[in-house]
Amino acid sequence: QVQLQESGPGLVQPSETLSLTCTVSGGSISKYYWTWIRQSPGKGLEWIGNIYYTGSTNYNPSLKSRVTISVDASKNQFSLRLISVTAADTAVYYCARPGYFWAFDIWGQGTTVTVSS
Amino acid sequence: DIQMTQSPSTLSASVGDRVTITCRASQSINTWLAWYQQKPGKAPKLLIYKASILDSGVPSRFSGRGSGTQFTLTISSLQPDDFATYYCQHSDSYSYFTFGPGTKVDIK
Repeated sequence: QVQLQESGPGLVQPSETLSLTCTVSGGSISKYYWTWIRQSPGKGLEWIGNIYYTGSTNYNPSLKSRVTISVDASKNQFSLRLISVTAADTAVYYCARPGYFWAFDIWGQGTTVTVSS
Repeated sequence: DIQMTQSPSTLSASVGDRVTITCRASQSINTWLAWYQQKPGKAPKLLIYKASILDSGVPSRFSGRGSGTQFTLTISSLQPDDFATYYCQHSDSYSYFTFGPGTKVDIK
């Protein structure tokens, strides 16, 4: 079955750029939307944005000015780029796939990103 | 934007108890609601979508009801594996997704 795996640096300096990649295995990235979600320490879940395999994107308005999500269908990967990070961006970042009726039925295990000098 | 609230924020219960968690939307969302279970250090797991449809493999002790602005997740007989945090989530398109703040179910 389809599995997702996040990868990227676990530590980012304040004001720098956070970059993560999600690798899709066990299936094709085509014909689906793919999503980034984050969870700050002790807090709830926040939708960051998603991308269709063709490259069409949607972003959370609260993060839109700092976020870029891209897709590389040839590698079965999609990526997150968040610029000008602060301590408030410290979180576990998940990649996920929305399935029936926009419910996330497949999740990566999550990767912890800490913003600190 | 549609806001989701959940009550209670924490619920203390015992094994075998019937447990109900409520999720409310700031405006009508039809039945476009999902429920997730999350355990510490793990990714959320989909339990229910479209308000009442159990995802594959989810035990039948979980059930969801509601439409419009008020929804419930019920665990008919709480099991040790059910102590976790539960989130509701709404979307009716791929352009925006929102989650409730969560309800932690812990041991009384």
